[in-house]
Amino acid sequence: GAVVSQHPSRVICKSGTSVKIECRSLDFQATTMFWYRQFPKKSLMLMATSNEGSKATYEQGVEKDKFLINHASLTLSTLTVTSAHPEDSSFYICSAMGTSGQETQYFGPGTRLLVL
Amino acid sequence: GESVGLHLPTLSVQEGDNSIINCAYSNSASDYFIWYKQESGKGPQFIIDIRSNMDKRQGQRVTVLLNKTVKHLSLQIAATQPGDSAVYFCADTGNTPLVFGKGTRLSVIA
Repeated sequence: GAVVSQHPSRVICKSGTSVKIECRSLDFQATTMFWYRQFPKKSLMLMATSNEGSKATYEQGVEKDKFLINHASLTLSTLTVTSAHPEDSSFYICSAMGTSGQETQYFGPGTRLLVL
Repeated sequence: GESVGLHLPTLSVQEGDNSIINCAYSNSASDYFIWYKQESGKGPQFIIDIRSNMDKRQGQRVTVLLNKTVKHLSLQIAATQPGDSAVYFCADTGNTPLVFGKGTRLSVIA
């Protein structure tokens, strides 16, 4: 149980285009999902907290207009990187927490973004 | 501020030996801890958790020990295998969302 998927697993795009990454909780409902970014050999850096039906909460230094988050249902959150630039190339990981009050966060497999 | 961190950044272990990965936390109110394993190019994977009312919890080949007095927890891996090579993070769920330290990279020597 507690499976989280991400799509796509890898994406290559041209500079200036937008990319959407989906995060789905497959066997549980997730009131809250989180988006992380990870650079090579570095730890996970929290970007934003996504709450179903409300606006996302962004961490300091993360541009909300650049990284658009939508959490339209209890099983789906999306991260859209708008007007992507090469410096946005990174490994993006989502995680999800259940609605039952359980504290464990389960992570998706990550999405590798390369902006040319 | 409150933080969770790892003592050692790297650990090399001979295949078949036991591995011990340590973690310190500073939030004395924390009552639930999780160990995650992250293999290269993958998302973190839940390994084992422990609540503050326990000192020890065992899983399959893994054991987590919690010392609340010194705010320290450890992950022990028995008979370490090549597939155990990864970065291991401890997480303190007293903070939501989770805050991760750098992690410890475990390398298994065949």
